[in-house]
Parts: sequence; C-alpha cells; structure tokens
Amino acid sequence: GQQLNQSPQSMFIQEGEDVSMNCTSSSIFNTWLWYKQDPGEGPVLLIALYKAGELTSNGRLTAQFGITRKDSFLNISASIPSDVGIYFCAGQLWGYGTASKLTFGTGTRLQVTL
Amino acid sequence: DTGVSQNPRHKITKRGQNVTFRCDPISEHNRLYWYRQTLGQGPEFLTYFQNEAQLEKSRLLSDRFSAERPKGSFSTLEIQRTEQGDSAMYLCASSFRPGAGQETQYFGPGTRLLVL
Repeated sequence: GQQLNQSPQSMFIQEGEDVSMNCTSSSIFNTWLWYKQDPGEGPVLLIALYKAGELTSNGRLTAQFGITRKDSFLNISASIPSDVGIYFCAGQLWGYGTASKLTFGTGTRLQVTL
Repeated sequence: DTGVSQNPRHKITKRGQNVTFRCDPISEHNRLYWYRQTLGQGPEFLTYFQNEAQLEKSRLLSDRFSAERPKGSFSTLEIQRTEQGDSAMYLCASSFRPGAGQETQYFGPGTRLLVL
C-alpha cells in the first residue's frame, strides 16, 4: 500500500535540542495528523491540522499544514527523554460517503540522549 | 478509561489456524477502522465500518480475512488459515462523524499476531 515519504528516518539528539521532521505526498489531503507510537502500543494523536497553511501548537509541539496540501512538518522544541518514540504523519482525504482512511508515513524514530 | 480497547494484546498461533481479534471502540463513535502494521512500517488501512455496515475493504484484505460489526458497537477481525506473512500488529481505530467534515481517529493499543 501507499506510504508517505517521511524524513528523517531516524535521529539521535541531545536533551534540550529542537527537532524537525517532515512528510511529503504525491497527492493532496484535506487533513494532516501527527501521531506518536511507543513500542508495543498503538499510535497516539499529537496534533491535527485541517486547513492548508494552518500552524498549530500543542505544548512543545508545533505542526504546519503545507500550502500545497501535499506536505506537513512537525517541530518539537526543547526535547526531553520521554519524547523518544516513533513519530508518524498521516494524511486523510474525507468527503461525503467516503472512508476517511489514513495514509501513514514511514515514520521517524527519535532517540534522545541525556 | 473510555478509549479504544483491543483483545487479545498478543496472539501466537501456528500456521493454518484461525484467529479472531476484538475491538471495542469509544462509546458512541459511529466509525471503526482496522489497520495492519508490519515491523518498521506505518499502519496500512484494511477496512472500515460506519455503524454496522462495512463500506470499504482494502486490496490488502484477502478472502481469508473477514470483519464484522454486528450491532454497530464492537468489531471482530478473523483470519482463517493463518500464514506467516500475517504476522503483524493489527490496530483498530474509531471516530465520530455525523456527516461530512473533520474526523479524528483514535487508536487502540493493537493486537500483535505471531504466526509460527
């Protein structure tokens, strides 16, 4: 199945550093979402974006919905050890009578060192 | 806690056996989705229900897979004659969508299947 292009694939950072990751698609979406997944658990929603150009924050997390509707990025400021995990972007295309299924990215594995 | 729950959390089975997983969505959520996630990949859509009606199935869902949501509440996913390639995490998500418009899916913890 289709997976969105997400980069970087993995990153090692030091506690306190800022992190950026992005996601690109060949097709447009009308919603972008960012999830975090810990080992052996399901994805947990971090941020949802519903309008092209929208910039949304959730604590230390900031995400933007690209103007072209084909990309999105996520920033984490002042990382802490509990930020460790895999971050997934997901695009969603909804409309009347359609399955609003999510198309996920390939994931960014984040590891934070003290 | 009123989140999405899935049972069992882990299942080990021998090739050729049948397995069934259960998902209990968030109360009053009318949409329920099943996804499959293999190691190192993001989840991939399998099928979805609006209330009790199964409205879409992915090509990933072979004829050995069947899903039901008999009363529009919980759902089951059955895999018949399991194969080693079925080994994956099976995730369930639910959402509420009254008509068209925004919809946020909330995931359960998943059922990890290992086929020996």
